[in-house]
Amino acid sequence: EVQLVESGGGLVQPGGSLRLSCAASGFTFDDNAMHWVRQAPGKGLEWVSGISWNSVTIGYADSVRGRFSTSRDNTKKSLYLQMNSLRVEDTALYYCAKGGSGSYWHFELWGRGTLVTVSS
Amino acid sequence: QSALTQPASVSGSPGQSITISCTGTSSDVGSYNLVSWYQQHPGEVPKLIIYEGKKRPSGVSNRFSGSKSGNTASLTISGLQAEDEADYFCCSYADSTSLVFGGGTKLTVL
Repeated sequence: EVQLVESGGGLVQPGGSLRLSCAASGFTFDDNAMHWVRQAPGKGLEWVSGISWNSVTIGYADSVRGRFSTSRDNTKKSLYLQMNSLRVEDTALYYCAKGGSGSYWHFELWGRGTLVTVSS
Repeated sequence: QSALTQPASVSGSPGQSITISCTGTSSDVGSYNLVSWYQQHPGEVPKLIIYEGKKRPSGVSNRFSGSKSGNTASLTISGLQAEDEADYFCCSYADSTSLVFGGGTKLTVL
């Protein structure tokens, strides 16, 4: 079965850190770009970060650049998001998403998300 | 990376057609044909329904179609059905490494 499963979310205090993981299965992981997209409670979607299949291209939203870092391990079919200096406004459901076949520019498959809550 | 502009809500009756607009700038929507659209039902995961402006993934109904004119992309749903009631989000190339979403549109089927 083709799927993405996120983990690592939880409750953290402002200024703290978390590392999210996304485990992929059912497809050739290293053929695809991967992304993180978040959705604050009751709000819309926000693109957070993307990484090309070979990690050469990594992009970040202005709202997280300098605080978040994306990486991948193709041997483990896994995507990661290291989140530092977390703010209350980072509270959201974080989705892992697979880029389209041969494309960085859309999201073909989504995980169910992992919830990050930043609060004191 | 300013969010793309979508109407907050649209509505239509069963069988009708509706169009949702997604307005950006010449730097994002207007620069390449790299707009995608996602459907999200309450409590569910977003689903890709249009990519590269007008292409439909396998399994997506041909009632969904995409187009672009200048800096505005559009999603048209024809033959509206009750199951189409959902939130719709557009997303576009923003620069060489980034993407940007629209604020989302709530579709109500009357």
